[in-house]
Amino acid sequence: QQPVQSPQAVILREGEDAVINCSSSKALYSVHWYRQKHGEAPVFLMILLKGGEQKGHDKISASFNEKKQQSSLYLTASQLSYSGTYFCGTERRSGNQFYFGTGTSLTVIP
Amino acid sequence: NAGVMQNPRHLVRRRGQEARLRCSPMKGHSHVYWYRQLPEEGLKFMVYLQKENIIDESGMPKERFSAEFPKEGPSILRIQQVVRGDSAAYFCASSLNPVSAIYEQYFGPGTRLTVT
Repeated sequence: QQPVQSPQAVILREGEDAVINCSSSKALYSVHWYRQKHGEAPVFLMILLKGGEQKGHDKISASFNEKKQQSSLYLTASQLSYSGTYFCGTERRSGNQFYFGTGTSLTVIP
Repeated sequence: NAGVMQNPRHLVRRRGQEARLRCSPMKGHSHVYWYRQLPEEGLKFMVYLQKENIIDESGMPKERFSAEFPKEGPSILRIQQVVRGDSAAYFCASSLNPVSAIYEQYFGPGTRLTVT
């Protein structure tokens, strides 16, 4: 039931773009995105509802395609501070058990 | 407004001892989730509690693990007779309402349990 993320790891130079995908084998109600820096707690980024929603703030945005049961996180013009592990979190029904994805390690180098 | 608090931050236990992990949710939050994270792995759901109620404990091992969230005081995750495989980071998260399309979770700093 755990969503699968791809790629598992990515290394970028500052200013480059990246896309992280999150796929589920089950129908989804919503998708949440979190970033976790090494040794720290996950930090909430955004929630997307079904309905083909797109959201974004700063240079990080995301989309949710409920028909394909997948979400994508877009990081543009990456900064060093973007480094960390990104997790998607999914719920199949509002208020139901919450599953985190397998994680994507993102490293931004100068 | 203080965030989610967890204590202790680090806990060392010998095999067979008990571990008690505490989580105080954000002010006004009555929904608490516990997750376990092994090194270099993702977050695994363990249990979801509301005040005085366990809503979903399907992610928690049937033996040795228990959780509570009393009317007063923090949520407690208890691990009895710890084994080396219990070594992990345990995170709790709180939410204003059941985590859903509207309400996100706020995570505490985690408790790193080491079993020797």
